[in-house]
Amino acid sequence: DTGVSQDPRHKITKRGQNVTFRCDPISEHNRLYWYRQTLGQGPEFLTYFQNEAQLEKSRLLSDRFSAERPKGSFSTLEIQRTEQGDSAMYLCASSLAQGGWGEQYFGPGTRLTVT
Amino acid sequence: GQQVMQIPQYQHVQEGEDFTTYCNSSTTLSNIQWYKQRPGGHPVFLIQLVKSGEVKKQKRLTFQFGEAKKNSSLHITATQTTDVGTYFCAAGNEKLTFGTGTRLTIIP
Repeated sequence: DTGVSQDPRHKITKRGQNVTFRCDPISEHNRLYWYRQTLGQGPEFLTYFQNEAQLEKSRLLSDRFSAERPKGSFSTLEIQRTEQGDSAMYLCASSLAQGGWGEQYFGPGTRLTVT
Repeated sequence: GQQVMQIPQYQHVQEGEDFTTYCNSSTTLSNIQWYKQRPGGHPVFLIQLVKSGEVKKQKRLTFQFGEAKKNSSLHITATQTTDVGTYFCAAGNEKLTFGTGTRLTIIP
């Protein structure tokens, strides 16, 4: 399977714990995005990278969230001191941006439940 | 930031009936994209519209971008059970702003 992969697919954690998610984009894609989706809502943009550079971060993203893409390939999203409101599906997407935009391919997501 | 609203929130149709979802913005959009998300699945890109008044077709799906580039629609002719899912419009290039989605269910 050469699509976007995410690990783990499900994560249950207790409030206050830290969690880290991984995303492996399609290999030749230069852009990588993180979104969050709650039940009945559309995906909400969190941040995106072009190669290893983090170019934009949502103002909605608290300081407890951090993302990295150290070698311009896979990315990690860490949430520190999780809260119940962090429970959501975390989606990763990648694209090959040419001429300003590229079709975004989404991964299967990581479902986070904070108890 | 830009916001996009979608109506209706839910649509139940008999198999074979047509379906339309509408996307509206208060600001002029540079482009609009449409995605489909099957139950339990992830969003899948359908199409991008860029030009004012643009109409594109994919088999039974017809996508339109308004003349003022503030609204868009997706119309499905003669729905099939495989059309079940939530249809989202999304505005932007890198940072996509998704609409609230229209959930389509089909009665066989």
